[in-house]
Amino acid sequence: GNSVTQMEGPVTLSEEAFLTINCTYTATGYPSLFWYVQYPGEGLQLLLKATKADDKGSNKGFEATYRKETTSFHLEKGSVQVSDSAVYFCALSELRTGTASKLTFGTGTRLQVTL
Amino acid sequence: DVKVTQSSRYLVKRTGEKVFLECVQDMDHENMFWYRQDPGLGLRLIYFSYDVKMKEKGDIPEGYSVSREKKERFSLILESASTNQTSMYLCASSSPLTGGETQYFGPGTRLLVL
Repeated sequence: GNSVTQMEGPVTLSEEAFLTINCTYTATGYPSLFWYVQYPGEGLQLLLKATKADDKGSNKGFEATYRKETTSFHLEKGSVQVSDSAVYFCALSELRTGTASKLTFGTGTRLQVTL
Repeated sequence: DVKVTQSSRYLVKRTGEKVFLECVQDMDHENMFWYRQDPGLGLRLIYFSYDVKMKEKGDIPEGYSVSREKKERFSLILESASTNQTSMYLCASSSPLTGGETQYFGPGTRLLVL
C-alpha cells in the first residue's frame, strides 16, 4: 500500500534560517504529491503540490520538487519567518476512477520559528 | 474560494452518547471525507463519499457511520461515543472537475468524550 514518511519534529529555527523538511513516499503507481500546512487552531490548507516527476511546486517562498528516483518530495524555504510556525504535512494521492482519490498523509512536522 | 464549514469547533460528550458531526461545503464538490487527527499519527481517513448516498470505508471506520443525503452535506455519526474517540475531526471536500485530487479542509471539530 501507499505510505508517507516525514521527518520527526519539532523543528526549531531562528528567523531567516533555511528550512528543509524531508518527505519520502512509497506508492504502487504514479502519485500526485502535496504539502499541507496547519496553523494553530485551524484546519489544513494546501501549500503546494506536484503532479508528475520533476515538477516543482512553489508557494509563499516554499518549494518542493517531485523526485521519482529517490521517491522524495522535500519541502524547502530559504528564509523562514515567525509566521511560518505551523505543522506541515506531506501527502500523496493516486488517481482512482469511479470513486474518490484518497490522500495518504505523513505524521506531520511541527515547525517553531523564533526571533 | 472553497468553503468547508463544520458545525462545532469544540464538543464535549459523555460515553455512550450518540454524536453527530456535520460538514457543509459550498463548491458543489462530488467528494467529501472525514478524518481524525491524533498527535504522532497524522490524519487517518474514517469514511468518504464520492456521490450522494454513496460511501466507502476508510482506514479506521470502526465505531463510526456516515450519512450523505445532500451533495453539500456529509455527517459523521458516533453511534455510542467512547473515550478513545476523543480527537480532532476534520472534514474535507474535493472535485475531479475542479482542483483534481486537491482536498479542501474545514477548521476541525475538537471532540472530548468523558
